[in-house]
Amino acid sequence: EAQVTQNPRYLITVTGKKLTVTCSQNMNHEYMSWYRQDPGLGLRQIYYSMNVEVTDKGDVPEGYKVSRKEKRNFPLILESPSPNQTSLYFCASSFQGALGTDTQYFGPGTRLTVL
Amino acid sequence: GENVEQHPSTLSVQEGDSAVIKCTYSDSASNYFPWYKQELGKRPQLIIDIRSNVGEKKDQRIAVTLNKTAKHFSLHITETQPEDSAVYFCAASGRYSTLTFGKGTMLLVSP
Repeated sequence: EAQVTQNPRYLITVTGKKLTVTCSQNMNHEYMSWYRQDPGLGLRQIYYSMNVEVTDKGDVPEGYKVSRKEKRNFPLILESPSPNQTSLYFCASSFQGALGTDTQYFGPGTRLTVL
Repeated sequence: GENVEQHPSTLSVQEGDSAVIKCTYSDSASNYFPWYKQELGKRPQLIIDIRSNVGEKKDQRIAVTLNKTAKHFSLHITETQPEDSAVYFCAASGRYSTLTFGKGTMLLVSP
């Protein structure tokens, strides 16, 4: 089954404790992206990757890191989480066609609480 | 960068009525405009999309229109049903194919 998976689905942690949220897709998509969703603010892009070893900042990259060492995986790293990073996080992936962006498929989401 | 404005933020309709959600975008280079539906506790799912070389696209009860000159696009849902109740997001692809989302519209369809 074609899908985007994220782990963990739920996480409660404390300020300053490094954490990683994993994202994996099995559709051979070039493009992967991380979003955070907060009430009233919609979906805001954190980082994206056009292909292996190619990453770039989105609209709200502060406090986050990413890496793209393999095509299927795009982990989101919070080196020193703070309470303002409490949010619902979505990973997404898509093909990069000749016309540009194609349909983005979303993972199930990770609800993070930083105390 | 790209900026997407979405209106209204909430929309209440009676079952069987039509619903229209409107979005404007700022980057004239944007060429892809998807609409996503997000039910409570679920992930966003694509319901329809349109590219800049097309003015209108329909899929059963759902249609999207695009006015490139005015830089706005709209989602039209006809014969609404209670299961259409959800949050709807519009988005526009900016440079480098990234997507910028509107803030969402909560659609409530009353039986």
